[in-house]
Amino acid sequence: QQQVKQSPQSLIVQKGGISIINCAYENTAFDYFPWYQQFPGKGPALLIAIRPDVSEKKEGRFTISFNKSAKQFSLHIMDSQPGDSATYFCAASSGSARQLTFGSGTQLTVLP
Amino acid sequence: DAGVIQSPRHEVTEMGQEVTLRCKPISGHDYLFWYRQTMMRGLELLIYFNNNVPIDDSGMPEDRFSAKMPNASFSTLKIQPSEPRDSAVYFCASSFGALYGYTFGSGTRLTVV
Repeated sequence: QQQVKQSPQSLIVQKGGISIINCAYENTAFDYFPWYQQFPGKGPALLIAIRPDVSEKKEGRFTISFNKSAKQFSLHIMDSQPGDSATYFCAASSGSARQLTFGSGTQLTVLP
Repeated sequence: DAGVIQSPRHEVTEMGQEVTLRCKPISGHDYLFWYRQTMMRGLELLIYFNNNVPIDDSGMPEDRFSAKMPNASFSTLKIQPSEPRDSAVYFCASSFGALYGYTFGSGTRLTVV
């Protein structure tokens, strides 16, 4: 019940295209859903996060879509750039301490 | 702010040796988390502290692993004795309160030969 399933494992997109990464969860107690971006040799960095009381959150080129009934959420990267090439992790948490359960990661490559 | 600082960045040790990983969280953050990242298992939570007190260590794989947080500005993760399967990148992260995202350090890449 603590799992967060992420797909696809890898994604190749042309510059200017839309990158879409999907996650699904089982634990209905999850109430905070962040996305992290990780570059090689670095720790994950918080990119954008959403709570289940809204269905969408947008920050610049990054948008989270959230479907509470389906227990799914996704990250959309508009106008993808080569600098967006990184590994993206979805995560979920619940409870007072917000310890995160991470998805398995998606390696995004944006071709110039 | 210098962010979460981890040391060393890389550690190569022989099987059976003791390894100590160090973390300095962001000043003022009251939660500290230790994660391990491997290709096979992804990012796994090992243990976390709140106000220097260990809250949940259920992710610590074996008794060979131990973690301490003697004060608000320092934490250690110790492996004794180390084994090749402990090879991974170990991340420390801290947060302020329970409502905000974590800030991760750059990690320690541990190789046990």
